[in-house]
Amino acid sequence: GQQVMQIPQYQHVQEGEDFTTYCNSSTTLSNIQWYKQRPGGHPVFLIQLVKSGEVKKQKRLTFQFGEAKKNSSLHITATQTTDVGTYFCAGPAGNMLTFGGGTRLMVKP
Amino acid sequence: EAQVTQNPRYLITVTGKKLTVTCSQNMNHEYMSWYRQDPGLGLRQIYYSMNVEVTDKGDVPEGYKVSRKEKRNFPLILESPSPNQTSLYFCASSYRGKAYEQYFGPGTRLTVT
Repeated sequence: GQQVMQIPQYQHVQEGEDFTTYCNSSTTLSNIQWYKQRPGGHPVFLIQLVKSGEVKKQKRLTFQFGEAKKNSSLHITATQTTDVGTYFCAGPAGNMLTFGGGTRLMVKP
Repeated sequence: EAQVTQNPRYLITVTGKKLTVTCSQNMNHEYMSWYRQDPGLGLRQIYYSMNVEVTDKGDVPEGYKVSRKEKRNFPLILESPSPNQTSLYFCASSYRGKAYEQYFGPGTRLTVT
């Protein structure tokens, strides 16, 4: 079945540094979704990318969908302590949604 | 307020004692699903439902049952819980299906001893 891998699994950064998490699918995706889960919380939808090569921005967050629609990335510029949490990508497979293992971001003030 | 609710939020039980975790959404969503979250494994889909009376297995359905008798409710049933079902469980719903934004409930932390 479809597999969605994310790297790195963990990332410690100093506040103000940039952060990137990468997502790779074993199959071509019709779209990719990104979620954020704060410590002790539940996943919250951030964005969905649909088109090959698509780039979307949300303030300091930049999301990219690869040309082959098999990979994606999330880049955070100048991290803040409010960015702490686990970031998941997810891609549809049949009628299901397959999540990556997540990247846990820790920010040192 | 649009939301997905789950009950209970925390549960400690013993092996073999049947339990039900309820899930309800007030957004008239067609698609509902259950996930379990374990360290290092991300979120894995247990069961999903495309609409009332339509349910199907996800990646890890063994040991679980679901039903969808009403559009708003999607309970998760563990007929005979075992310690390997100790996990954090999330219910989610979306407007039409997997291609749409998923709204997650607050989670249920289950411990089976």
